[in-house]
Amino acid sequence: GQQVQQSPASLVLQEGENAELQCNFSTSLNSMQWFYQRPGGSLVSLFYNPSGTKHSGRLTSTTVIKERRSSLHISSSQTTDSGTYLCALGGGADRLTFGKGTQLIIQP
Amino acid sequence: NSKVIQTPRYLVKGQGQKAKMRCIPEKGHPVVFWYQQNKNNEFKFLINFQNQEVLQQIDMTEKRFSAECPSNSPCSLEIQSSEAGDSALYLCASSLKSYEQYFGPGTRLTVL
Repeated sequence: GQQVQQSPASLVLQEGENAELQCNFSTSLNSMQWFYQRPGGSLVSLFYNPSGTKHSGRLTSTTVIKERRSSLHISSSQTTDSGTYLCALGGGADRLTFGKGTQLIIQP
Repeated sequence: NSKVIQTPRYLVKGQGQKAKMRCIPEKGHPVVFWYQQNKNNEFKFLINFQNQEVLQQIDMTEKRFSAECPSNSPCSLEIQSSEAGDSALYLCASSLKSYEQYFGPGTRLTVL
């Protein structure tokens, strides 16, 4: 079965609205990362977040180990936030197992 | 921002040809990974190295790919005999052992 499930698969919002992306893991969670994938394909690391809450500008990541889930919150969305957001289980010296991504579209 | 360098950015090969791509990890990162992202945007781990030694690799990589990470030279991933199904984005990542992985821009391979 799929180890990493992301939801929603796609999300369309108006500029200024908040976005909430979810990631659920079917196995125990040692570490995880959130990425933004640019249209050309390159991956930008947003958070390495094995547990707890981390902030970076308008982005907040919260990982709850015992519930095997992580969320990414984007506040006051902008059109430049549009793209694909990926979560992945693992990190460090361990391989990453990716979810299928959330396609985020922010309309002006 | 990631400092992982991948070359070439685009690669076009005919079926049966060799396809070679290179990666320079971030300075000081001992662990290097190769992943494949297919046209359905699914990621597949291929192989990883720590200080030039292979840590893990999948069966396909062992049979059809040649990869190395020599000291003081770029890491490389080579498909010995390209197949149409190998058309994908090949991503290299590096990390310190206990922290996040940083990715390069990828090499987009098209096998005609």
